[in-house]
Amino acid sequence: QVQLVESGGGVVQPGGSLRLSCAASAFNFRFYGMHWVRQAPGKGLEWLSFIQHDGSYIYYGDSVKGRFTISRDNSKNTLFLQMNRLRPEDTAIYYCARAGTDWTFDYWGQGTLVTVSS
Amino acid sequence: QSALTQPPSVSGSPGQSVTISCTGTSSDVVTYNRVSWYQQSPGTAPKLVIYGVNNRPSGVPDRFSGSKSDNSASLTISGLQAEDEAYYYCSSYTSSAWVFGGGTKVTVL
Repeated sequence: QVQLVESGGGVVQPGGSLRLSCAASAFNFRFYGMHWVRQAPGKGLEWLSFIQHDGSYIYYGDSVKGRFTISRDNSKNTLFLQMNRLRPEDTAIYYCARAGTDWTFDYWGQGTLVTVSS
Repeated sequence: QSALTQPPSVSGSPGQSVTISCTGTSSDVVTYNRVSWYQQSPGTAPKLVIYGVNNRPSGVPDRFSGSKSDNSASLTISGLQAEDEAYYYCSSYTSSAWVFGGGTKVTVL
């Protein structure tokens, strides 16, 4: 069964940095694009970033462009999200999701909570 | 990257049908047949229920169906069951980005 496990969340002060990880298992990670999606408390889903299977294409949403960096290590089946210059409005549960057929998010992790507060 | 428009809530009695609309623009829903739908129960991760406008992943009951017309997509749940009570989100690809709708709360009366 496809499994995605996020880690690295926590409490950080405004202006700080955090690096999230997403460990993938039970599928050929190197053949799939991957996404990061977040959900602020009580709010809807917001797409953040996508990375192609080989890292050749990378896209960002407007709200994180220039502050967040997506990357991956196919040798370790792991996806990353480096988050810099964090703001209180970045407080959310951060999910990694596999890019499935027809541009879908076909499998999701359980999420990791990031809280930006002084 | 504007969000897709969904109604905040819909409700129905067990056995009835409910339909959730998802309105986009020429930049997303109109141009790309890449609308998908996700179900999210409280405290859990979203789950894909419809992709490519009207395709169901393995394991999703056939009471879930999708359609698209002009700039709107729709998710219909037929034969509503108590376990269908959840939030539902639509999503579309849109030129090097993805966009979600604001979400719709489905309540089973």
